[in-house]
Amino acid sequence: SAVISQKPSRDICQRGTSLTIQCQVDSQVTMMFWYRQQPGQSLTLIATANQGSEATYESGFVIDKFPISRPNLTFSTLTVSNMSPEDSSIYLCSVRTSGGYTGETQYFGPGTRLLVL
Amino acid sequence: AQSVTQPDIHITVSEGASLELRCNYSYGATPYLFWYVQSPGQGLQLLLKYFSGDTLVQGIKGFEAEFKRSQSSFNLRKPSVHWSDAAEYFCAVVHGSGNTGKLIFGQGTTLQVKP
Repeated sequence: SAVISQKPSRDICQRGTSLTIQCQVDSQVTMMFWYRQQPGQSLTLIATANQGSEATYESGFVIDKFPISRPNLTFSTLTVSNMSPEDSSIYLCSVRTSGGYTGETQYFGPGTRLLVL
Repeated sequence: AQSVTQPDIHITVSEGASLELRCNYSYGATPYLFWYVQSPGQGLQLLLKYFSGDTLVQGIKGFEAEFKRSQSSFNLRKPSVHWSDAAEYFCAVVHGSGNTGKLIFGQGTTLQVKP
């Protein structure tokens, strides 16, 4: 299993500013992901952040808006840049661990609740 | 394109009644399938997963799910619902494989439990 922590847990920000969310994992993982969950919605994958390579962004998400760092196997950051009220969401960090014969398992952090005014 | 569908947006059951939450997937190969639960204000918790082998999978909190390839379904069941089961339930499938695999979520089903 993997235990994931995120900082901050919540924040209220002004439009036009940026927020960097940190994700720390208690074990080394290759595959790390960032998701967004807008109010009352399901989870949408923003990007995949594998250590040693550039983050891969999903359709509708761009690096200028959501720059990601992945300096090592236990840590990643997601920045939400030039925020607008539409960015108000829960942002979740996720990691995938290999489980041998039981297959891979994906775990999620507690999320960062962001409100943009 | 590969996708996950949860046909029921909202379900209400009485406490002690049985529960079945539906999940259908569209995927060419044998998928990795997951069910997660998200309680109000809480993070996502993994209930169970299907990787291969026995198509009836047991999870935590008394939940189980059955993979039916012929129906492209992975429905979640619980024989007797407790009030604490009220939450949002998400079915998910890994799309792709290896380092390119991505977990894709269904729309979610909100479970309400009546006393």
